[in-house]
Amino acid sequence: DAGVTQSPTHLIKTRGQQVTLRCSPKSGHDTVSWYQQALGQGPQFIFQYYEEEERQRGNFPDRFSGHQFPNYSSELNVNALLLGDSALYLCASSLATGGDTEAFFGQGTRLTVV
Amino acid sequence: GENVEQHPSTLSVQEGDSAVIKCTYSDSVSNYFPWYKQELGKGPQLIIDIRSNVGEKKDQRIAVTLNKTAKHFSLHITETQPEDSAVYFCAATQGGGADGLTFGKGTHLIIQP
Repeated sequence: DAGVTQSPTHLIKTRGQQVTLRCSPKSGHDTVSWYQQALGQGPQFIFQYYEEEERQRGNFPDRFSGHQFPNYSSELNVNALLLGDSALYLCASSLATGGDTEAFFGQGTRLTVV
Repeated sequence: GENVEQHPSTLSVQEGDSAVIKCTYSDSVSNYFPWYKQELGKGPQLIIDIRSNVGEKKDQRIAVTLNKTAKHFSLHITETQPEDSAVYFCAATQGGGADGLTFGKGTHLIIQP
């Protein structure tokens, strides 16, 4: 049973560009959350997708957007990249209802903006 | 919104000794408190969690305690081993793990041989 998988593992982009990160949830999970983890900090919640809609959102600007597909996989898009967007981007999956509500994380995508 | 404070930021203990990491939260509606371990270059791994209807939970060498009145919860690791060296994060949320988590800033646990 594959866990949460993210692609790519590393990415270098230029300031002002746009980037798309991808996530496949753990088998059986229907909810995907995205987090930004700056170096030496705890993960910060960006937003969460359930039933192909954004269900919750943290304190991030509109430059951060996402999408969830019918197979529950998800994308995170960041427009007009800033140097401060350099971070590890983590995807977590969970089940919206039922017994297993723990959130499981992928290995992350390391984004460097130059 | 929720705010989670975590202490200490760095903890160094001798192999075989116990380690304790403490967190406080601000939102009284939070009812789910997971702990994650993150090794270098990897994503956070859930190691134990506790819900607000329970005061203590144990899994082998790891235990978590929750004091809802004081709004704090703690991670206890006994008989520490070299493989316990990592960064540990506490988190809090309402609605279980399906909701967005608010994390502490992390504790770098160093196990001295």
